[in-house]
Amino acid sequence: DGGITQSPKYLFRKEGQNVTLSCEQNLNHDAMYWYRQDPGQGLRLIYYSQIVNDFQKGDIAEGYSVSREKKESFPLTVTSAQKNPTAFYLCASSMNRRNQPQHFGDGTRLSIL
Amino acid sequence: AQSVTQLDSHVSVSEGTPVLLRCNYSSSYSPSLFWYVQHPNKGLQLLLKYTSAATLVKGINGFEAEFKKSETSFHLTKPSAHMSDAAEYFCVVSEDPSNTGKLIFGQGTTLQVKP
Repeated sequence: DGGITQSPKYLFRKEGQNVTLSCEQNLNHDAMYWYRQDPGQGLRLIYYSQIVNDFQKGDIAEGYSVSREKKESFPLTVTSAQKNPTAFYLCASSMNRRNQPQHFGDGTRLSIL
Repeated sequence: AQSVTQLDSHVSVSEGTPVLLRCNYSSSYSPSLFWYVQHPNKGLQLLLKYTSAATLVKGINGFEAEFKKSETSFHLTKPSAHMSDAAEYFCVVSEDPSNTGKLIFGQGTTLQVKP
């Protein structure tokens, strides 16, 4: 079955440490997205990519970095510059056409030790 | 600019009674609208989408939504709630005039279903 796989499901970070969240899709989608979800809030866009080797900042990109070397993969690095990284992170993908819904992975929950 | 407002942060119904989750949107263009559902510690699952075809949209699990341009609303309904419907629901509008594929999410409505 096609879908989006995020790993790990739970991740712990020490102060001053960078961590990378994995997102892989086999839906043959061109566009991929990273969101952050905090309790009681909607989703906020961190980064998105519409094509390989290109990506754009979303609304809350500070303290995060991404790469898009392959169509299937869009890893997110939470850097030590992100002072409040504890959140639920969701990856999504979609076809690169108008009005297309996004398909989501099951998320990674990041906590600070 | 596009925006979406979910009018209730929490809705509680009894099993077997109707569900109504309210959503208003603001858009300078003809919007595409979606409803997603999220169960605890899971990703979002698409329930239904409106993309300027029929104004009454049927989705999965018995849900449907009606697009009302005059009221700028896209409320989600279900005739009879089931315990498994308890979850977080998000109303979403597409920011597609910029062709980025970006979506704008409402704050979410928590649906509680009582036995």
